[in-house]
Amino acid sequence: GIQVEQSPPDLILQEGANSTLRCNFSDSVNNLQWFHQNPWGQLINLFYIPSGTKQNGRLSATTVATERYSLLYISSSQTTDSGVYFCAAYNQAGTALIFGKGTTLSVSS
Amino acid sequence: DTEVTQTPKHLVMGMTNKKSLKCEQHMGHRAMYWYKQKAKKPPELMFVYSYEKLSINESVPSRFSPECPNSSLLNLHLHALQPEDSALYLCASSQAGTDTQYFGPGTRLTVL
Repeated sequence: GIQVEQSPPDLILQEGANSTLRCNFSDSVNNLQWFHQNPWGQLINLFYIPSGTKQNGRLSATTVATERYSLLYISSSQTTDSGVYFCAAYNQAGTALIFGKGTTLSVSS
Repeated sequence: DTEVTQTPKHLVMGMTNKKSLKCEQHMGHRAMYWYKQKAKKPPELMFVYSYEKLSINESVPSRFSPECPNSSLLNLHLHALQPEDSALYLCASSQAGTDTQYFGPGTRLTVL
């Protein structure tokens, strides 16, 4: 089955720094998504990005489907960006969303 | 509105109790999901309902019993749980197929 791998597993930043999170996937995937899970457990949709580049404020994402990776960029990080960032993709049958293990981001002021 | 609601937020139950988790969405989505998430792990799929029919059951123990009364509601009935079932239970919905999934805030379950 499809595998989703994220790096780095942990990231510690000072407020104002920029960062890049990476997601590699083992096979062709449909409908790659990025989520942010806040410290209270809420999973928030960031991007639905099967290919190409999207931007939303300080966040942007790029997926290169042919090379099986996606990148999430966070610029001018804030303490509220802390939490776990997951990428996820549907399996080949389109029946289950497969999550990576996540990147835990800690932003300090 | 992209909101999925879940009740209760927290639940503590004994191993002999019966309880239910509830999930609701009013986005007109036709697929709804239950996930289980243990601490420091990613969510794991438990059940998928598509057009109100159970389509995926990821070999979940029978002490978890899902129910989809209508296209907006999803329940998870709990009975005779074990302490290792303590986790965050997340509900999600999507339009259909491989569309974006939207998650509720979760129910944090503790089994004593």
